[in-house]
Amino acid sequence: DAGITQSPRHKVTETGTPVTLRCHQTENHRYMYWYRQDPGHGLRLIHYSYGVKDTDKGEVSDGYSVSRSKTEDFLLTLESATSSQTSVYFCAISELRDQANTIYFGEGSWLTVV
Amino acid sequence: KQEVTQIPAALSVPEGENLVLNCSFTDSAIYNLQWFRQDPGKGLTSLLLIQSSQREQTSGRLNASLDKSSGRSTLYIAASQPGDSATYLCAVPYGNKLVFGAGTILRVKS
Repeated sequence: DAGITQSPRHKVTETGTPVTLRCHQTENHRYMYWYRQDPGHGLRLIHYSYGVKDTDKGEVSDGYSVSRSKTEDFLLTLESATSSQTSVYFCAISELRDQANTIYFGEGSWLTVV
Repeated sequence: KQEVTQIPAALSVPEGENLVLNCSFTDSAIYNLQWFRQDPGKGLTSLLLIQSSQREQTSGRLNASLDKSSGRSTLYIAASQPGDSATYLCAVPYGNKLVFGAGTILRVKS
């Protein structure tokens, strides 16, 4: 298994509260990604990082922010959680741009916003 | 815009049967295509990565083909087993992200 750890794995939170999901890698890979997976939509990219303090938006970035202060950690923050953000969140890592080699996924974080 | 479609959405077969999963994409200018497996409640595991210059990749009982000109890829599973039951997703790079199909849910009955 690629050394990716997501935390928390499961969380229930109330609407309007901030939530932070953490992705930690031990592979020293340059690229890190946050995807969300929803029925009927597959996986969609939220944000990604191409180095320390270098991040960019994906296709569904509204309501989310990210930070990467160290190579090994990529944080996803929901500033004010909404019910539409109930989803499964996956972190992924890749050494090369364009995913020219294999991309590795974490085990997922199940978030329920009530 | 790149769109990826997988057919069928779900498939149920008896153990031992050979089967084909299909993946199609709208923009043929791809670097590669990956097939992933996802077990319930788990993350995605990469099964096969086919570079744009390749036509096939094999791993054990799995064989993936790529036809860029027609925008299609197939995943062939030989002699299916109950342990093959999972969701199979294909994905292609597009800009700085992977675009995923919605997946095929495979159930292999013993």
